[in-house]
Amino acid sequence: DAKTTQPNSMESNEEEPVHLPCNHSTISGTDYIHWYRQLPSQGPEYVIHGLTSNVNNRMASLAIAEDRKSSTLILHRATLRDAAVYYCILRNTGGFKTIFGAGTRLFVKA
Amino acid sequence: NAGVTQTPKFQVLKTGQSMTLQCAQDMNHEYMSWYRQDPGMGLRLIHYSVGAGITDQGEVPNGYNVSRSTTEDFPLRLLSAAPSQTSVYFCASSSDRDTLYEQYFGPGTRLTVT
Repeated sequence: DAKTTQPNSMESNEEEPVHLPCNHSTISGTDYIHWYRQLPSQGPEYVIHGLTSNVNNRMASLAIAEDRKSSTLILHRATLRDAAVYYCILRNTGGFKTIFGAGTRLFVKA
Repeated sequence: NAGVTQTPKFQVLKTGQSMTLQCAQDMNHEYMSWYRQDPGMGLRLIHYSVGAGITDQGEVPNGYNVSRSTTEDFPLRLLSAAPSQTSVYFCASSSDRDTLYEQYFGPGTRLTVT
């Protein structure tokens, strides 16, 4: 299974943009890039996913490098409620297994 | 919709005891899975199911059994609890009718084995 690499932690100020990076140099052509986040004492929740093109939704934006070996989750204006662990995951449309790494713990300062 | 529900929320077992963690979903999802999360770690896949009557092993299946007799329910059985199974357990479901297998997670069961 292709693996992802993320920084252990990042810090942001409230109301500033946050860019969370993810490296996935062994990604295959059929792997989709998914992001989940886990708020304290809760189960993970889906944030966004994409294949090749950049994606936007109400929660965040996903910027995917042209060679697909890296991606960046963008939170446009961080709030205190965005403090969570963010997981970058590769999922293949033909498969079901989802492998979670340790993720990036995002700290947001008021 | 209630989404994914898990019971119990908390459980304490003695070494060697057995128990079943319950998971149910009301979204008619084909795919269900069980994960465990140890302190400060990411989630690890235990078992998963792609439909009623079909299950398969994940990364860390030893010590756990599953069955899927209905689309809605996917119980996880601990056969003989060990302290190494102290963890938070999450159940998840997804459907290939939705956006590329977006998973919905339950609130988790916190299990302590003494």
